[in-house]
Amino acid sequence: GNSVTQMEGPVTLSEEAFLTINCTYTATGYPSLFWYVQYPGEGLQLLLKATKADDKGSNKGFEATYRKETTSFHLEKGSVQVSDSAVYFCALSDEWVGGNQFYFGTGTSLTVIP
Amino acid sequence: GAVVSQHPSWVICKSGTSVKIECRSLDFQATTMFWYRQFPKQSLMLMATSNEGSKATYEQGVEKDKFLINHASLTLSTLTVTSAHPEDSSFYICSAHILDQGGNNEQFFGPGTRLTVL
Repeated sequence: GNSVTQMEGPVTLSEEAFLTINCTYTATGYPSLFWYVQYPGEGLQLLLKATKADDKGSNKGFEATYRKETTSFHLEKGSVQVSDSAVYFCALSDEWVGGNQFYFGTGTSLTVIP
Repeated sequence: GAVVSQHPSWVICKSGTSVKIECRSLDFQATTMFWYRQFPKQSLMLMATSNEGSKATYEQGVEKDKFLINHASLTLSTLTVTSAHPEDSSFYICSAHILDQGGNNEQFFGPGTRLTVL
């Protein structure tokens, strides 16, 4: 079956530190992979995505590379800011089964301190 | 990007009453909408998949008579929590799905509705 395993939090970093949030997946087909971000009191927003192996998604300084060989999609940012404090969710959509079902990780809470 | 709205954003109700939550795709048509429930500090739990003009498909463990879903048009889906009880208090999030000929496969999420049952 399909599933997403995400690094547990919470994660606390100082401003300008390097961020990595690990995400691995299992899928029966050819999934697209996503990172969503949820700021306090708000809904989910798409942060970045990758639709095939070796694709790199990037947005707002965040990057993640679709690694089929390691079934991973780790989120990275070179220098975090206080405004990056949020909960980050890794997700996959398995297009082999019609592409209309998303599977989410448990979320990783990030707090960036000045 | 595409916008999905939810109404109301927060509702407080008495135990035993029913509450309707609306989910609208504002600038696009979505054949499929999803309803999720999010508990504090936890991930989203898919409750049901709603296709326009047909009955919703509920995930295992979700009571369809408790959580009534109606998808009357390509831009509107509603979730009605019937005879709500305090344990139904949660954050309910909808999303609208786009899968087009250009290969876009994406969900757009609403801002969520916080339900508090007293």
